[in-house]
Parts: sequence; structure tokens; C-alpha cells
Amino acid sequence: TQLLEQSPQFLSIQEGENLTVYCNSSSVFSSLQWYRQEPGEGPVLLVTVVTGGEVKKLKRLTFQFGDARKDSSLHITAAQPGDTGLYLCAVFAGNMLTFGGGTRLMVKP
Amino acid sequence: NAGVTQTPKFQVLKTGQSMTLQCAQDMNHNSMYWYRQDPGMGLRLIYYSASEGTTDKGEVPNGYNVSRLNKREFSLRLESAAPSQTSVYFCASSDIGPIYEQYFGPGTRLTVT
Repeated sequence: TQLLEQSPQFLSIQEGENLTVYCNSSSVFSSLQWYRQEPGEGPVLLVTVVTGGEVKKLKRLTFQFGDARKDSSLHITAAQPGDTGLYLCAVFAGNMLTFGGGTRLMVKP
Repeated sequence: NAGVTQTPKFQVLKTGQSMTLQCAQDMNHNSMYWYRQDPGMGLRLIYYSASEGTTDKGEVPNGYNVSRLNKREFSLRLESAAPSQTSVYFCASSDIGPIYEQYFGPGTRLTVT
């Protein structure tokens, strides 16, 4: 069983649609990070959330950390083809950064 | 400012062969990491080096060795490659420790036949 469960695993939508992806765990964390990975490249950090209930916005992306600090969501408004990629959540646990399995998003023009 | 660089980008090995993956960073970071990425499993930590002169095992260290050559360079060695080591390998670095932003290289795609 993975420490972080991400859902859905795959998502294919049309340009302009809204979507939400989730990162869940039964453990409590002091902080959580979201990364985006484009094909053929390494992951790039999008945001770090540290406070229960915290909401951070990055242009059309909205990140929320659950009140109990066990889960997080990423909402994308009016998705664009440039949003295509693998979205990974990660937490610091046991002296190392542990990643979820990721949500692979494809946005079709 | 190249960030994190990795060589080679692609490699095909036969079972039992050995090779070393090279990684270098020019951001003066203290910590460096090696991950492998397999479909549906995100990234899993193989080894890390919190600072120059130290290395520690991560989640999946079996079959690998590492060397922190200096502050800039961190190499990963496969002594006797196995098909289960077919994966994409990423090197990363961060300032101070893993809770800070990690900067990733472009990856090495390794196939073991």
C-alpha cells in the first residue's frame, strides 16, 4: 500500500473543461508538495502547502491542503493543452520525500 | 546555469553488465538524490546524500551503489544489471534537506535486456 494515493490515475479532457485531482493518505503530514512532470523531463515543483485548510492559487491552478493535513486537491480551471502532464503529490516522511503514483492528465485541443 | 545534468540520456544494457549514471548540479546545493520512476508508481528514492561525504539508503537501494564525489557530483552504479532495473532514473538536488524544493535532472532511460 502506497503512503499517498492519487486519483484518478488517468484523465483525458477537452480544452476549456475544469478538473480536480486528489492526493489522499491515512497519515498526517506537516507539509505537502505538488509537482508537474512533462514528457521527457524531470518533475518541477508547483507549490508547497503547510497549514491545514490552506488554499494556494497559481494562475488557473488552485491547491488545497485538507483541514486534517491528510489529503490535498488540485483544481484546474479552463484547462489548456499546456497543462498536459503527470501531476505528483509528495510528502516528507522518514527523512525522505515520498511521492504518490501520480495523475496523468491529457488536455485535448 | 545548467541546473542538474545527467548522463547518459539513454542506455541499453544486457543482464549482468555494469554501468555508472552520472549527475552534476551547479546550484551549490548540499543534498542530492537518486530516484527511479516506473509506470504508476511515482518516483521511489534509491539513495541520497544529505551533504558531501555522506550517503544513505532510500526506499529501494538493493542492486545499486552511490558515490558523492564532491559537492557537485553524485553517481549511481549498477554492478550487475537485471531486467527489474529497467526504469527511468532521475537525479535531484536541494538546499539543506528534502523538505525544501528539489530540482530534478532530465532523466536517464535505462533498458536491461
